[in-house]
Amino acid sequence: KNEVEQSPQNLTAQEGEFITINCSYSVGISALHWLQQHPGGGIVSLFMLSSGKKKHGRLIATINIQEKHSSLHITASHPRDSAVYICAVSEVVGSARQLTFGSGTQLTVLP
Amino acid sequence: GAGVSQSPSNKVTEKGKDVELRCDPISGHTALYWYRQSLGQGLEFLIYFQGNSAPDKSGLPSDRFSAERTGGSVSTLTIQRTQQEDSAVYLCASSLSSRAAYPLNEQFFGPGTRLTVL
Repeated sequence: KNEVEQSPQNLTAQEGEFITINCSYSVGISALHWLQQHPGGGIVSLFMLSSGKKKHGRLIATINIQEKHSSLHITASHPRDSAVYICAVSEVVGSARQLTFGSGTQLTVLP
Repeated sequence: GAGVSQSPSNKVTEKGKDVELRCDPISGHTALYWYRQSLGQGLEFLIYFQGNSAPDKSGLPSDRFSAERTGGSVSTLTIQRTQQEDSAVYLCASSLSSRAAYPLNEQFFGPGTRLTVL
């Protein structure tokens, strides 16, 4: 079973700060996902990547397959970015592509 | 287009009662997944459907949990004889396919059903 570890577990930042959330996993994967969960529970898929780097607005996700590590960066953070950010990896288990989730990073951005 | 929808959004039940949770996936998505997020815990996989294949039930925590998917679309997760430890947010996700590579296997999540067992 793939273990997914995120750090930090909790992060408080001031508006405008550059934020980095890290994710490490233990075995081979087919893809890594970054998810955002706002209070109330809804989950939004931010990125799905298997190599390199992706950018969407102020969000950037990178992955290093050799090091089994991914980072999610938020530039010019804003209070509306406050949420739980979850890293998840897709493994091929038989014919299924299930997700194994990290425990999440609670981000609070203060005005 | 419409995303994944789930109903009810909240369900409060008494210990020992049966509950049914519903998921409507995105139209055309052949893969459907159920996950659970217990209070203070991470997300865990429960069950997965791909087209007409037999479902992967490897994540179901006990035989009180079952799920079906009718006509390859709507899915119902049933919990029989609910226990307090079943209290959680139950999330459904769907993808175009589970066996294809990105982006066809990207999962889209519903808003979840918050189940509280008293």
